[in-house]
Amino acid sequence: EAQVTQNPRYLITVTGKKLTVTCSQNMNHEYMSWYRQDPGLGLRQIYYSMNVEVTDKGDVPEGYKVSRKEKRNFPLILESPSPNQTSLYFCASSFRRSTGELFFGEGSRLTVL
Amino acid sequence: AQSVTQLGSHVSVSEGALVLLRCNYSSSVPPYLFWYVQYPNQGLQLLLKYTTGATLVKGINGFEAEFKKSETSFHLTKPSAHMSDAAEYFCAVSDSGGYQKVTFGIGTKLQVIP
Repeated sequence: EAQVTQNPRYLITVTGKKLTVTCSQNMNHEYMSWYRQDPGLGLRQIYYSMNVEVTDKGDVPEGYKVSRKEKRNFPLILESPSPNQTSLYFCASSFRRSTGELFFGEGSRLTVL
Repeated sequence: AQSVTQLGSHVSVSEGALVLLRCNYSSSVPPYLFWYVQYPNQGLQLLLKYTTGATLVKGINGFEAEFKKSETSFHLTKPSAHMSDAAEYFCAVSDSGGYQKVTFGIGTKLQVIP
């Protein structure tokens, strides 16, 4: 089954404790992206990757890191989480030369205390 | 630069009534336009998309949208609302030049009243 898998789905952590949210897709997509969803703000792009070893900032990259060492995986790293990073995070992927249709994971709800 | 404006963060309709969710876009190039739906505790899934060709686009679950270039709009409609349509709906725009920047609206929560 074609899917984007995120882990963990739910996480409560404390300020400053490094964490990683993993994202994996099995559709051989070149393009992968991370979004955060906040009430009243919709989805905002954090980082994206056009292919292996190619990443770039989205609209709200501060406080986040990403890496793309393999085509299927695109982890999101919070080196020192802060309460303003409490949010619902989505990973998405697509073929690079597509019309922009994205396939989304089920989301990771992160709470930073 | 591209952007999307969704009018109304919350919309309530009675079961069986017309659903109309409004979306206006701004794009410097011919756009690709999308509607995504998010059911509670789930990720977003594509409802329908406009790329080129026919301006009236049909999607899943009886939804459709019409691309109106003169009005820069891409409103989503469904003739008769079902309880199962209760969800959040996102309009999105993408650069048709092949670059993958997709910009989302803030979303509209649809409530269906029995």
